[in-house]
Amino acid sequence: DTAVSQTPKYLVTQMGNDKSIKCEQNLGHDTMYWYKQDSKKFLKIMFSYNNKELIINETVPNRFSPKSPDKAHLNLHINSLELGDSAVYFCASRDRGTNTGELFFGEGSRLTVL
Amino acid sequence: RKEVEQDPGPFNVPEGATVAFNCTYSNSASQSFFWYRQDCRKEPKLLMSVYSSGNEDGRFTAQLNRASQYISLLIRDSKLSDSATYLCVVNIYNQGGKLIFGQGTELSVKP
Repeated sequence: DTAVSQTPKYLVTQMGNDKSIKCEQNLGHDTMYWYKQDSKKFLKIMFSYNNKELIINETVPNRFSPKSPDKAHLNLHINSLELGDSAVYFCASRDRGTNTGELFFGEGSRLTVL
Repeated sequence: RKEVEQDPGPFNVPEGATVAFNCTYSNSASQSFFWYRQDCRKEPKLLMSVYSSGNEDGRFTAQLNRASQYISLLIRDSKLSDSATYLCVVNIYNQGGKLIFGQGTELSVKP
């Protein structure tokens, strides 16, 4: 029973297209995140939602728009895709109240922009 | 300057070796610290938390020096299965509980 699941796992698309990645967690956590891991393996935080409220919004182009319909879901929509958007996007969740710092990650969505 | 810095490696060591990874962080508001492990083409997973007094989990020992803003991870008696990338992570409470990852140190344990 997957705790944090992302779809799709692989996405190959052309520059200029719009695409979405979906994420769901069944752990009952109150906080969800999107991280981007580039070709240099650097894992950079993009957004975080706590109980559907945006609490972290890093310097990310406004072509990226997160949406959290409820605390178990956090989706990422990307408009006008560019070559530099190619990366692995990881969704993660945790319970901020426990302060353990343990993030539970999905398996990642590998986006390739041609 | 990056908020969390690590030597990217790779560290190539023989089985049985002891290897140490270092990490420095720049934000003095950082309040909790962790080591994560990421296998090739997999998601990161928590390896261990790092406590002020230092802590050990089997062959793994983590140390924290708040004055120097420095964290370390020591792996004793390396196994082939320890080959992975080790990520240093800091939790900055006053920034919405942001967890910042270092770029990771790659470890390759050879027979």
